[in-house]
Amino acid sequence: QSALTQPPSASGSPGQSVTISCTGTSSDVGGYKYVSWYQQHPGKAPKVMIYEVSKRPSGVPDRFSGSKSGNTASLTVSGLQAEDEADYYCTSYAGSFVVFGGGTKLTVL
Amino acid sequence: EVQLVQSGAEVKKPGESLKISCKASGYSFSGYWIGWVRQMPGKGLEWMGIIFPADSNTRYSPSFQGQVTISADKSISTAYLQWSSLKASDTAMFYCARMGDWYFDYWGQGTLVTVSS
Repeated sequence: QSALTQPPSASGSPGQSVTISCTGTSSDVGGYKYVSWYQQHPGKAPKVMIYEVSKRPSGVPDRFSGSKSGNTASLTVSGLQAEDEADYYCTSYAGSFVVFGGGTKLTVL
Repeated sequence: EVQLVQSGAEVKKPGESLKISCKASGYSFSGYWIGWVRQMPGKGLEWMGIIFPADSNTRYSPSFQGQVTISADKSISTAYLQWSSLKASDTAMFYCARMGDWYFDYWGQGTLVTVSS
């Protein structure tokens, strides 16, 4: 199985919005509601930011939102803040296992 | 408070065996899937597999099936990841994490495994 496809990098200025895409197939992203997004700061464990396409865990700012259309999921970070600079990974259920995206490094300019 | 505490860093030689652990607390260990994620140096996250401690049902990523073994001891709320013969390419950080509905909601601090002759 192949990893989901994410852009290697994304950037935005403080206060702006940025959207990160995650493209899979009908066997993963397009076929299920189980898409999630993780934030990872250097040297730290990942943290879930979005699950089931668009749900936010308690404590995650509402600046983070998720969506899906067909085989592509998206994470949007609105009102960018310096602490949002991190690596972001999408995942999708793929029928008995989960596949990760390759990751996107988000830079806050 | 849900906590996952992993065993310490390991330095091993190629061909050696290894078992790392992840001790859970703060929730009913048997009632949630728990799994492992690999992160090779400077690389992305890779889903390895999960286990349901109540009945030891396991699911592996095709990429890791046959390469590692995931197990759990529900009597001590601990999950394990083991190798029978390590390779240099197994050098990585390994995270354990509790699984909700096909997403990981709580993570351990990571265990660094270094395999070098």
